Amino acid sequence: EAEVAQSPRYKITEKSQAVAFWCDPISGHATLYWYRQILGQGPELLVQFQDESVVDDSQLPKDRFSAERLKGVDSTLKIQPAELGDSAMYLCASSLGLREVTQYFGPGTRLTVL
Amino acid sequence: AQSVTQPDIHITVSEGASLELRCNYSYGATPYLFWYVQSPGQGLQLLLKYFSGDTLVQGIKGFEAEFKRSQSSFNLRKPSVHWSDAAEYFCAVVILTGGGNKLTFGTGTQLKVEL
Repeated sequence: EAEVAQSPRYKITEKSQAVAFWCDPISGHATLYWYRQILGQGPELLVQFQDESVVDDSQLPKDRFSAERLKGVDSTLKIQPAELGDSAMYLCASSLGLREVTQYFGPGTRLTVL
Repeated sequence: AQSVTQPDIHITVSEGASLELRCNYSYGATPYLFWYVQSPGQGLQLLLKYFSGDTLVQGIKGFEAEFKRSQSSFNLRKPSVHWSDAAEYFCAVVILTGGGNKLTFGTGTQLKVEL
């Protein structure tokens, strides 16, 4: 069964450092999503891509977060500089297209900022 | 704005007992509704979804959910819980926007299973 891949699974960093997370969606899925999940809460959308274009980044803290999907396949989410409050699970999901509402999630990257 | 409410933060059931997890949504039109399960330190696995048609939907792992428009609810049920069902369960709703779709989650219900 095809799955969404994410790496690393765990990341520990010190505040003010840069971190990057990688996501490879299910093959053929044009839409890719990054979510942040703070402990004890549900995931919240950070950014949504359709192919290589950003569809919605209204909740992305653009002063320190950036996301790209240069070739419309895999994607990278970066934080620079990391802050203590960024400690969370970062989840990637994909769907066939914008109007295909079922999203499939990867295993996530657990970020701890010290 | 659309929202999803899961009123039970924690639920404890005995293995073999029945389970019902509550979910209420706030949205003007008929939403697309989902239940996901998350084991500790893992991503979210889709249990089931409702788009239209039969209001009782079957999912994986023996779970089912019933859409009740009059109550704005989409409760998850299982007739007999197994110890491996211990996890966090999230109800979610997708709203189609002009630019795509947005998945909004509830705060989750943590299920503990007593042996």
